[in-house]
Formats: sequence, C-alpha cells, structure tokens
Amino acid sequence: KAGVTQTPRYLIKTRGQQVTLSCSPISGHRSVSWYQQTPGQGLQFLFEYFSETQRNKGNFPGRFSGRQFSNSRSEMNVSTLELGDSALYLCASSIRDSGNEQFFGPGTRLTVL
Amino acid sequence: AQSVTQPDIHITVSEGASLELRCNYSYGATPYLFWYVQSPGQGLQLLLKYFSGDTLVQGIKGFEAEFKRSQSSFNLRKPSVHWSDAAEYFCAVGAGYQLIWGAGTKLIIKP
Repeated sequence: KAGVTQTPRYLIKTRGQQVTLSCSPISGHRSVSWYQQTPGQGLQFLFEYFSETQRNKGNFPGRFSGRQFSNSRSEMNVSTLELGDSALYLCASSIRDSGNEQFFGPGTRLTVL
Repeated sequence: AQSVTQPDIHITVSEGASLELRCNYSYGATPYLFWYVQSPGQGLQLLLKYFSGDTLVQGIKGFEAEFKRSQSSFNLRKPSVHWSDAAEYFCAVGAGYQLIWGAGTKLIIKP
C-alpha cells in the first residue's frame, strides 16, 4: 500500500505570492490533517478534513485554507505569503477519526523570501 | 483543557546507554496515546500506540512505553540506544478529531 504523498517536496516563493500544496492520503483513508512545523513553534495543527468537510480547525489566519476532494486528496492554500510562513508543512491521513493513528507524508518545505 | 507535556526539550545520552523520554498528558477520558519519531527534514513515523489493555506496549526499533493512569504519563524507554536513534520524539494524545501534540524532545547521542 502506498504511503501518504505530498507534492511538491520543496518550494520557494516570495512575499505576497500564494501557494498550493497537495496531499494524497493512503488508499481508504478518509481523514486528512495538515500541520505546520517550525523550529520555534513545533507542530501546529492547521485543519482536518473528512469526506470533503472541514471538521476541525487550528488557530491560523484566514490566509490558510484547504479543501478535500471526493477521492480524499487534499490541498492547502496559503495566500499573501509572509516570511513567517516558511516552514515544513506536513499532511497526515487516518482511516476515520484523526484522533486515532495518523500516517504522515514526508512534508513540503516552503521557503518564503 | 487537553494538553501534552514533554518536559525535556533536549536529552543527551551515550550510545549504548538506556533512555527514558517523559510524557505527561491532561485528558478527561481514557486516552489514546502515541509516540512518533521524526528524523531531520522528514515526516513523522509511529513508534508505538496505546489504546487499551496491557499498559506496557512494545513498538518498533526496540522501543517500549508504559501507560500509568495514576500519573497521567506515557514514558518512552529503550534499554540501549544506537546512534541511529538520534531524532526528535513526539508524544500525542488522541482527542476525537485530532491529536494533541507535545512540543517534542530532541535526542542527541554521544559516541
């Protein structure tokens, strides 16, 4: 069974631009969670999607958004990028409840210049 | 409020020595508990999990953890560490639709 895949793996953008990151969960997994990881802040929960619906949201500004498609693939978008958005963005999938075991992708390293 | 505390930001251990990483949680119900490991620049890999039953759980790479309800703890242990164990370790509690994460403990191995 293929694991969680994230594309792209690395991304360099400039301030003010927007970016879209993609996540393909493990086949059969319907829950997808997104995290931002920075050295100073650790793992910060962004949002969680299940069956195309956002079930849970972390404390991030509205510039951060996401969606999930009928095949459970998910995308997150960050608009009007700021320097502080530079981070490793991790996607994790789980079968149903994301309070259960989560399987992580390798992450997308976003650098904002 | 639900929370997970990993009191040690860094731990340095000599290769071959034993290891214990601490994790304390605050959660109203019977918790699902997890330990994950992250190598530099990589995603997180599940080491072990506790859902119910035997409070001593075995994981991959020779790790084990013990759930102690009275102490609200789920400490991770390994009898003899290897240089390849150098990584960051995260404890998490399952809380409905999300995992509540500790801040992580970075393990440094001295040769």
